[in-house]
Amino acid sequence: ILNVEQSPQSLHVQEGDSTNFTCSFPSSNFYALHWYRWETAKSPEALFVMTLNGDEKKKGRISATLNTKEGYSYLYIKGSQPEDSATYLCAFMGSNTGKLIFGQGTTLQVKP
Amino acid sequence: SAVISQKPSRDICQRGTSLTIQCQVDSQVTMMFWYRQQPGQSLTLIATANQGSEATYESGFVIDKFPISRPNLTFSTLTVSNMSPEDSSIYLCSVEEGGRSDTQYFGPGTRLTVL
Repeated sequence: ILNVEQSPQSLHVQEGDSTNFTCSFPSSNFYALHWYRWETAKSPEALFVMTLNGDEKKKGRISATLNTKEGYSYLYIKGSQPEDSATYLCAFMGSNTGKLIFGQGTTLQVKP
Repeated sequence: SAVISQKPSRDICQRGTSLTIQCQVDSQVTMMFWYRQQPGQSLTLIATANQGSEATYESGFVIDKFPISRPNLTFSTLTVSNMSPEDSSIYLCSVEEGGRSDTQYFGPGTRLTVL
């Protein structure tokens, strides 16, 4: 059974704080790692699709890194804003399945 | 990017009844997926629905419980049959654009409560 773990499960920060979350995934048969942001009552929004070891991607104040050899990805948010409050999901895609296996998510609450 | 709508957005149903969830995409797509998220759990793939063929179900999910239709390249339905409280979940459809390493786009979900 493939396991994708995210930590922490939840996080409360003050506006302006920078924060980061971890996604751990199997280091074998890697194909891609997806990050999504999911706000309540909305569609999960795609943030990044990462495929290469050492990849770093950035979208505004959000960035992500990827280490396929050790099986982890970090998501960073610089200067958190209340509108960043959401659940952040990572999903592993194996080369032998082509399907997304999701972690349980990290729920971020940013207080003004 | 694909825009996906789902109906209903939420429902409260009685045990033993069935609910059909609709998923509409604004463009033609080959691959459509159905997921569910039970309370406190991860998003879990139920099945993959391709137009013109039977859906492919993941381990633990069966066609009798979750029949799926895919009549064309922009529409699919998922039925949750003979519901029990354990079926209370958020159900989402998604589509894949481009190749396997491309982004999957999700609908807003159907929040189902079974009493």
